[in-house]
Amino acid sequence: KNEVEQSPQNLTAQEGEFITINCSYSVGISALHWLQQHPGGGIVSLFMLSSGKKKHGRLIATINIQEKHSSLHITASHPRDSAVYICAVSGADGLTFGKGTHLIIQP
Amino acid sequence: KAGVTQTPRYLIKTRGQQVTLSCSPISGHRSVSWYQQTPGQGLQFLFEYFSETQRNKGNFPGRFSGRQFSNSRSEMNVSTLELGDSALYLCASSLVLSGANVLTFGAGSRLTVL
Repeated sequence: KNEVEQSPQNLTAQEGEFITINCSYSVGISALHWLQQHPGGGIVSLFMLSSGKKKHGRLIATINIQEKHSSLHITASHPRDSAVYICAVSGADGLTFGKGTHLIIQP
Repeated sequence: KAGVTQTPRYLIKTRGQQVTLSCSPISGHRSVSWYQQTPGQGLQFLFEYFSETQRNKGNFPGRFSGRQFSNSRSEMNVSTLELGDSALYLCASSLVLSGANVLTFGAGSRLTVL
């Protein structure tokens, strides 16, 4: 059974700061997903990675398969980035989720 | 194009009852997966259906079941409801099996068991 650890659990930052959220997992995977959940429950898929790096606007996601580690970066953070960010890994048992990182960006 | 539609959005049941939740995927998507989200356990995988067949199942008791129809719509059923089944139930669809495909989530069905 894959174990997924996210850090930090909570993060408060000022608008404009560079944000990094980390995700580590214990067993080899076929892909890793970064998800965003706003209050009220809706989940949006930000990235799906199996290797390397992806960029979408101010968001960057990287994965190191050998080290079983992924990072999500937010550049020039904005209050609208405030949300819970969840890492999920895909393996033999379906998707296994991290507990999430609660991010608050203050103006 | 229409997103993933889940119905009902909210429902209240009492212990011992059963409940059926519905998920209509994005047109053309053949995989539907289901998840339970609670404050204590976070998000947990329930099961995934592809082409009307269950392809994977999480660690939940047999009271949780599902099915997928030929038009890819999916239902999940929980029988003999317990207080601990109170949760947000989310479904997601993808073109093929979810493992290496982008997921599109529905808004969820919030179940309260009294």
